[in-house]
Amino acid sequence: AQSVSQHNHHVILSEAASLELGCNYSYGGTVNLFWYVQYPGQHLQLLLKYFSGDPLVKGLKGFEAEFIKSKFSFNLRKPSVQWSDTAEYFCAVNALSGGGGADGLTFGKGTHLIIQP
Amino acid sequence: DADVTQTPRNRITKTGKRIMLECSQTKGHDRMYWYRQDPGLGLRLIYYSFDVKDINKGEISDGYSVSRQAQAKFSLSLESAIPNQTALYFCATSDGNSVDEQYFGPGTRLTVT
Repeated sequence: AQSVSQHNHHVILSEAASLELGCNYSYGGTVNLFWYVQYPGQHLQLLLKYFSGDPLVKGLKGFEAEFIKSKFSFNLRKPSVQWSDTAEYFCAVNALSGGGGADGLTFGKGTHLIIQP
Repeated sequence: DADVTQTPRNRITKTGKRIMLECSQTKGHDRMYWYRQDPGLGLRLIYYSFDVKDINKGEISDGYSVSRQAQAKFSLSLESAIPNQTALYFCATSDGNSVDEQYFGPGTRLTVT
């Protein structure tokens, strides 16, 4: 079974600072990778995803993530954060079975990001 | 209108009561999922269903049961609620293609006293 590890549970940054949230997964086969964001009081929204092709993927609101297969990593980055980026961020993986589908997402425990104005 | 809806949005119940959480979707997806979210633990999969006749246990199915009444409806039941089932519950759907991106409902906040 796959697992996902997010390195930081709480991150506090000032506006305009650069952001990098770490995510590592354990699974030897083919995976799809996702970052979801949960703004205060709201449900999960997809921020970006990787399933094939260019390992550097871009998502909403200036976020990007790079899939490094050799490191089993999918770190989330943003060059300059804004107060509105305050949210919970979840890395997730689904491992592809032979039939092409997956048995649900495995989530990391989340990173609570607070941006101070 | 929202593609994935959950009812109720908030519920307070007492220990030992039976409770049902409902999920409906208009995305036409075959796959549906139930997760619970606990602070510091992320989301954990309770049950999932790939079609009306296919239901599978997830990571933490004990104390829960599900029913897939139709392609668009997937309900989660707590037969005898206990306080450690207090959590935020999310329903999700996916189309089962090679990416299998999941779409989440707004969540149900359940408190068991």
